[in-house]
Amino acid sequence: NAGVTQTPKFRVLKTGQSMTLLCAQDMNHEYMYWYRQDPGMGLRLIHYSVGEGTTAKGEVPDGYNVSRLKKQNFLLGLESAAPSQTSVYFCASRSVWNSPLHFGNGTRLTVT
Amino acid sequence: GNSVTQMEGPVTLSEEAFLTINCTYTATGYPSLFWYVQYPGEGLQLLLKATKADDKGSNKGFEATYRKETTSFHLEKGSVQVSDSAVYFCALSSGPGGGADGLTFGKGTHLIIQP
Repeated sequence: NAGVTQTPKFRVLKTGQSMTLLCAQDMNHEYMYWYRQDPGMGLRLIHYSVGEGTTAKGEVPDGYNVSRLKKQNFLLGLESAAPSQTSVYFCASRSVWNSPLHFGNGTRLTVT
Repeated sequence: GNSVTQMEGPVTLSEEAFLTINCTYTATGYPSLFWYVQYPGEGLQLLLKATKADDKGSNKGFEATYRKETTSFHLEKGSVQVSDSAVYFCALSSGPGGGADGLTFGKGTHLIIQP
């Protein structure tokens, strides 16, 4: 009963390095989301997808790119990491536009 | 735009005390409302939801009633336990894209229950 799986769980990057965070869901959900969580800021939407092959910008998209080549996977890329991207990143999915979100356990990223 | 306001805390209570966490919202149309809970080191889990005015969501002893007239969705529990210690998020679903762009979250309320 995996649900939403995020890899890796932890990562430390140096400024300027790149990386990709992977999100996989096994619930056949159409909608997938990437959020970042920062102290005192709650959760802020980075990018989202309403189906395979689609992506859209959220509230804080700058410095990130995403891809949804397969329905079950949603990748978040950082091309040139900055200390301001130090955060906990959460992936979420849902079946229809107004249903609850199912979250992964997060990726804690530190950029030095 | 949509927004959710909730008390940030931390809120510290003794075991068996009554809990209220206030949540008010601003939204166009008729949003669905949610409470999520986050335990340390974990992702958010749905606690309860309500999809229309006067609906009451309930789960694990927690309740919240969708009050359209006061644009509120306050979370309550009659007798809290140490295991309820967590961060609680109020959220709504009704974005410009009809809700496809996810949920709008409050900043979270850190709840600490002391034995």
